[in-house]
Amino acid sequence: DAKTTQPPSMDCAEGRAANLPCNHSTISGNEYVYWYRQIHSQGPQYIIHGLKNNETNEMASLIITEDRKSSTLILPHATLRDTAVYYCIVSGGSNYKLTFGKGTLLTVNP
Amino acid sequence: EPEVTQTPSHQVTQMGQEVILRCVPISNHLYFYWYRQILGQKVEFLVSFYNNEISEKSEIFDDQFSVERPDGSNFTLKIRSTKLEDSAMYFCASSVVRGGRNEQFFGPGTRLTVL
Repeated sequence: DAKTTQPPSMDCAEGRAANLPCNHSTISGNEYVYWYRQIHSQGPQYIIHGLKNNETNEMASLIITEDRKSSTLILPHATLRDTAVYYCIVSGGSNYKLTFGKGTLLTVNP
Repeated sequence: EPEVTQTPSHQVTQMGQEVILRCVPISNHLYFYWYRQILGQKVEFLVSFYNNEISEKSEIFDDQFSVERPDGSNFTLKIRSTKLEDSAMYFCASSVVRGGRNEQFFGPGTRLTVL
């Protein structure tokens, strides 16, 4: 699995955009970038994924650089309930398991 | 919205006892997974299951562990003889794999405490 690098923690003001970076410089051509989050000890929650193009859904936007070596998850209007650990995971091909790192603890402040 | 469910939410057992953790995946999903998370540590992959057989397993998934899909809805993880170090949150996940995409949806977890 391609490894990912994320900052251990970030802060964001409520109502502002949260931009979470991730480096995945060893990503392979058939691997997707997935983002999950985990609130306290709950099960990881799927947020979004992408291959090459930028993606947007009701939760977030994902910006992937042209060389695919890094990406940014954007929460456009962070709320207190978005406080969680966010995981950037690269997976694909014939490998279906998700390899979780330590992620980024995003704290949204009032 | 369909979701993965797990029972029980909390299981307390004595060392050496067998436990079975149960999961009901999302109904049209074909791939099933177990992960675990020891308190304060990373989420770790245990095993993936497709077409009634294990497709991949980690080093953690030794002979003490087994998985089964006993009917069309349940997916179980059995630990034959629990050890103290098996204490963890166990998460079940399921997915539909399409064209290499594999969004996995996780259940709320079972907290296993081995005394």
